[in-house]
Amino acid sequence: DAKTTQPNSMESNEEEPVHLPCNHSTISGTDYIHWYRQLPSQGPEYVIHGLTSNVNNRMASLAIAEDRKSSTLILHRATLRDAAVYYCILSRIGNQFYFGTGTSLTVIP
Amino acid sequence: NAGVTQTPKFRILKIGQSMTLQCAQDMNHNYMYWYRQDPGMGLKLIYYSVGAGITDKGEVPNGYNVSRSTTEDFPLRLELAAPSQTSVYFCASSSPGEQFFGPGTRLTVL
Repeated sequence: DAKTTQPNSMESNEEEPVHLPCNHSTISGTDYIHWYRQLPSQGPEYVIHGLTSNVNNRMASLAIAEDRKSSTLILHRATLRDAAVYYCILSRIGNQFYFGTGTSLTVIP
Repeated sequence: NAGVTQTPKFRILKIGQSMTLQCAQDMNHNYMYWYRQDPGMGLKLIYYSVGAGITDKGEVPNGYNVSRSTTEDFPLRLELAAPSQTSVYFCASSSPGEQFFGPGTRLTVL
């Protein structure tokens, strides 16, 4: 199963953009890149996913490197409610997820 | 839609006891999953199901059993509880591209 590497923790000031990196050098051609986040004492929630092209939704943007060996989750304006653990996961659609330890994001008021 | 529901929210078991964690979804998803999350760690997949009557092992299946008799329900059974099974358990179901998680069951085995 393809693995991902993320920094353990990051900090951001409120209302500033946040770029959360993820390395996945062993990604295969059919692996999608998924991002989930987990707020304290809650189950993970979907943020965004993509295959090759950059993706945008109301929560975030996903920038995927041309060689697909890395990606970046972009929160355009961090709020205190964005403080969470962010997981970058590789999976084929419909297949099981393998979570790493994620990046713990702290948002500073 | 209630989404994914789990019961109970909390449970304390004695070593050797058994229990069933309940999970139900009302989104008509074929795929369902059970994860456990130990403190400070990411989620680990216990079992998953691709449809009624079909289940398969994940990363950490030892000490657990599952069944899937309907699309909606996916219970997780602990037969002989051990302290190592103290964890938070999350159930999830998925549509193509997105998994929906329940609120979790916090289990302590003493």
